[in-house]
Amino acid sequence: DTEVTQTPKHLVMGMTNKKSLKCEQHMGHRAMYWYKQKAKKPPELMFVYSYEKLSINESVPSRFSPECPNSSLLNLHLHALQPEDSALYLCASSQKRGQGFTTNEKLFFGSGTQLSVL
Amino acid sequence: DAKTTQPPSMDCAEGRAANLPCNHSTISGNEYVYWYRQIHSQGPQYIIHGLKNNETNEMASLIITEDRKSSTLILPHATLRDTAVYYCIVRVWTPRAAGNKLTFGGGTRVLVKP
Repeated sequence: DTEVTQTPKHLVMGMTNKKSLKCEQHMGHRAMYWYKQKAKKPPELMFVYSYEKLSINESVPSRFSPECPNSSLLNLHLHALQPEDSALYLCASSQKRGQGFTTNEKLFFGSGTQLSVL
Repeated sequence: DAKTTQPPSMDCAEGRAANLPCNHSTISGNEYVYWYRQIHSQGPQYIIHGLKNNETNEMASLIITEDRKSSTLILPHATLRDTAVYYCIVRVWTPRAAGNKLTFGGGTRVLVKP
């Protein structure tokens, strides 16, 4: 199984709503990532988790709250979003051995959640 | 990480080789060149990576110039399913990095035509 599964595929929410994006992988990967991608733009890194601990936060606003409850699951909790937060949210995972990251740690991406904030 | 420059778009004929250039003139000695592609409505997909030597796998070949300031991704026999945005990424390998921090540039939008 080399899949990263993201749910839901599409999400529409109002600015006062609270919603969550879910990402799951069963490849035994110990690093997981959230990327944001606006239309016709490249993906931008938001967060990196390493061994279920947050290791990189790219100065993301607090209305985005990541969570890694176990080694297979990554969530992104959304609250009080703005219309400009509408984008494709991509999850990725990579195998990690020990400290640091090796050059062979390919990222496996899910197909993303297309989020629209009204 | 070094910045990369790619042409914004290119067309190629089905069945022919597609040669995708990438300029990374500020690359340093410990930086690797990665290629990913993103097919419409999907997440990016790893293709290949290299440091100095040319590399080949089942998907593509990577040719890195001797001075390492540029590289070319070669899709040997392009098919319609190879239509995608191709990203060239340069990343430094740090043994104790907190995360595999891939920074995507603008990429090249490749259209394979019948």
